[in-house]
Amino acid sequence: GQQLNQSPQSMFIQEGEDVSMNCTSSSIFNTWLWYKQDPGEGPVLLIALYKAGELTSNGRLTAQFGITRKDSFLNISASIPSDVGIYFCAGGNYGGSQGNLIFGKGTKLSVKP
Amino acid sequence: KAGVTQTPRYLIKTRGQQVTLSCSPISGHRSVSWYQQTPGQGLQFLFEYFSETQRNKGNFPGRFSGRQFSNSRSEMNVSTLELGDSALYLCASSLSGVADTGELFFGEGSRLTVL
Repeated sequence: GQQLNQSPQSMFIQEGEDVSMNCTSSSIFNTWLWYKQDPGEGPVLLIALYKAGELTSNGRLTAQFGITRKDSFLNISASIPSDVGIYFCAGGNYGGSQGNLIFGKGTKLSVKP
Repeated sequence: KAGVTQTPRYLIKTRGQQVTLSCSPISGHRSVSWYQQTPGQGLQFLFEYFSETQRNKGNFPGRFSGRQFSNSRSEMNVSTLELGDSALYLCASSLSGVADTGELFFGEGSRLTVL
């Protein structure tokens, strides 16, 4: 079945540093999304991308939809302690009855104050 | 606007038992999806319900089932529990369906432990 390769699996960074994580797939997607999950909570949508090449920002977060439609990356600038959590990429194809989102296995981010 | 509500939050069962989990979506949302989250496998799609009909199904055995009611509330059931069913079960709602935009609103999950 379809799989997403998300890397890195975990990151330990100093507060103030920039962070970069990415997701690749063997399949083409029409949609790439990035979610963040805090401990004890469900994932929350950060950024949604619907067009190849699209670059979208949400505060200190920037995500891009790869031109091949098989990859996406998420950057976090000037990290702060509340950025701690697990970040998931998700790829999907929308339209009609076609299925589900495929999630990456997550990047666990730890930030040292 | 109230978020997605899942009950119970925590439960412990023994092998062979069955369990029913409940999810109330955001008001006005017609689609409810269920995911199983484990440390090893990440988020795995179980099924999606839209207007009381199962629209999509993941690759899980028939022991996993679900339904949706006319008020969009959904339940999932797992019969003949196995140790490997221990996981966080997440429910997510969306206006028109996971296949439409991918913009899901997740609940906090029901953490199931099977002993």
